[in-house]
Amino acid sequence: AQTVTQSQPEMSVQEAETVTLSCTYDTSESDYYLFWYKQPPSRQMILVIRQEAYKQQNATENRFSVNFQKAAKSFSLKISDSQLGDAAMYFCAYRSGREYGNKLVFGAGTILRVKS
Amino acid sequence: DTGVSQDPRHKITKRGQNVTFRCDPISEHNRLYWYRQTLGQGPEFLTYFQNEAQLEKSRLLSDRFSAERPKGSFSTLEIQRTEQGDSAMYLCASSPRTISYEQYFGPGTRLTVT
Repeated sequence: AQTVTQSQPEMSVQEAETVTLSCTYDTSESDYYLFWYKQPPSRQMILVIRQEAYKQQNATENRFSVNFQKAAKSFSLKISDSQLGDAAMYFCAYRSGREYGNKLVFGAGTILRVKS
Repeated sequence: DTGVSQDPRHKITKRGQNVTFRCDPISEHNRLYWYRQTLGQGPEFLTYFQNEAQLEKSRLLSDRFSAERPKGSFSTLEIQRTEQGDSAMYLCASSPRTISYEQYFGPGTRLTVT
């Protein structure tokens, strides 16, 4: 079974600074997808960024980028120019590449606090 | 596109009572998922529908839990004889039948069993 580990229960960053959230995963599959989801307090979860395992290039979405190390099974999220609106719980998630293996496997999450 | 909606948003019930939650996915999304999230933890998969067919169920889904998706549109999740351990946020998500694999989440139903 696949597992996702987020070893940082909580992180803090100063506004406009850069922060990196860590995620490692365990799988025996070669085809899979990795995601970072953001869950603001009392609001619904939204997708931040997605990485396909077959792509060597790291995904980037505006101020958000990932460092995908397939051999090390590591998938960290870097947030540049942090904003107050980035404060939330961040979840790393894994999804099998099989057609019917649709479920997301989540880590325990990292609370990100942004200081003004 | 109004997003995934869930009803009710909050439910307080006494132990032993039955509760039912509803999820309305984004229209034309044929895949629907239920997850359970306890405080301070990541969501855990419960079950998955493709159209009206329930294709996968987690071992977390005990006999007291049942989910349906009649006609492949909205879905309901029923918990019978609730226990205090059932207290959690129940999340619904939907996705289209495309290669994108993104799941869109609803706001959740927070269940408190007293």
